[in-house]
Amino acid sequence: EVQLVESGGDLVKPGESLRLSCAGSGFSFIHAWMSWVRQAPGKGLEWVGRIQSTGSGEATDYAAPVKGRFTISRDDSKTTLYLQMDSLRIEDTAIYYCAKQGGNPATTGFFDYWGPGTLVTVSS
Amino acid sequence: EIVLTQSPGTLSLSPGERATLSCRASQSVSSSYLAWYQQRPGKPLRLLIYGASSRATGIPDRFSGSGSGTDFSLTISRLEPEDFAVYYCQQYGSSPRTFGQGTKVEIK
Repeated sequence: EVQLVESGGDLVKPGESLRLSCAGSGFSFIHAWMSWVRQAPGKGLEWVGRIQSTGSGEATDYAAPVKGRFTISRDDSKTTLYLQMDSLRIEDTAIYYCAKQGGNPATTGFFDYWGPGTLVTVSS
Repeated sequence: EIVLTQSPGTLSLSPGERATLSCRASQSVSSSYLAWYQQRPGKPLRLLIYGASSRATGIPDRFSGSGSGTDFSLTISRLEPEDFAVYYCQQYGSSPRTFGQGTKVEIK
């Protein structure tokens, strides 16, 4: 059974940093392309960024609102995905989900499995 | 970026009824790279449809997707109690991947 479990969400002040983790199991993590998606309270879904598999060079790309502030990385030995969030802003307040890309990830961009999410609150 | 507009915002229906949800894109979605997801309280998001019309693994055949270009739809042929939820469309034909704002299907 595929499982994704996020952790690390917390209440932080504007300008501070936070690192989220996502532990994956039940699938070949080393070959998976993984993304972070967020959902502000009562709002819709917003893609945050993606990391390709190690075999594809671990290339990353990010949504414009977080580019330069957020960094996605992975540790295949621990089957864990990370999201380093720096210079946090109030508008970054959201539930953060990790999601596994489905199909042939090199040619598709839908998400076949999601974690339950972890809440990040940025407030002074 | 491609903006996806879902309608209606809320759909009030009874169990057993048919639900039709719309997703309109601000520009053509290449290769029909459109997916639908279901969000229920306390549950992880669930992939229903990808490629506009292909059902994901384990998804009942009462769920169907159709459309191309800029107009897509998700149909639930006969609503079951567990189908009352929020549904999102997502395009992955161009970067950044974007989602619609959601349609809530509620019990009438």
